[in-house]
Amino acid sequence: KQEVTQIPAALSVPEGENLVLNCSFTDSAIYNLQWFRQDPGKGLTSLLLIQSSQREQTSGRLNASLDKSSGRSTLYIAASQPGDSATYLCAVEGDKIIFGKGTRLHILP
Amino acid sequence: SQTIHQWPATLVQPVGSPLSLECTVEGTSNPNLYWYRQAAGRGLQLLFYSIGIDQISSEVPQNLSASRPQDRQFILSSKKLLLSDSGFYLCAWSVPGQGARAFFGQGTRLTVV
Repeated sequence: KQEVTQIPAALSVPEGENLVLNCSFTDSAIYNLQWFRQDPGKGLTSLLLIQSSQREQTSGRLNASLDKSSGRSTLYIAASQPGDSATYLCAVEGDKIIFGKGTRLHILP
Repeated sequence: SQTIHQWPATLVQPVGSPLSLECTVEGTSNPNLYWYRQAAGRGLQLLFYSIGIDQISSEVPQNLSASRPQDRQFILSSKKLLLSDSGFYLCAWSVPGQGARAFFGQGTRLTVV
């Protein structure tokens, strides 16, 4: 049974800092790994998708990496801004899509 | 284009009343369909997923059921709601395989009173 863990559960950092969010999964038989953002009371916004054959994907200030063999992914956010404050969710897709519990990120102005 | 419709956006229901949430997908065929629930301050819990019409797997024992009467229609139901059924419900679809992004509906916020 696939289990997805995100560390840390919550994170507060000053504006401008670079930061790393972690995601680990127990079953490496996956098709994709996807990072989402969720604002309070809202739905999900897809940030990055990494195919199982890929090592990383980049979009603007975001970079996601995937080490499938070790069951790990990281989301790197460069030059953080207050608007980055949200919950970040990692989801792995094998025979079904399983989410981690998320990291609540707060960027301090 | 590929879209997903989920309704209603918000719902307030009394304890013991029935529930029906509907999700429809456009622009794809034979998708995998999912229902998730997010309780307040918690993560997204997979409730049901379906790989085809009338093929539904339940992930957790609960007061809810799901049906897929058509290829692109997924319905979440309950005969009698409990207070613990309150939460944010999300429908999603994907076509399994590399590069297949999962798409999510806007969600339904259900409050059982």
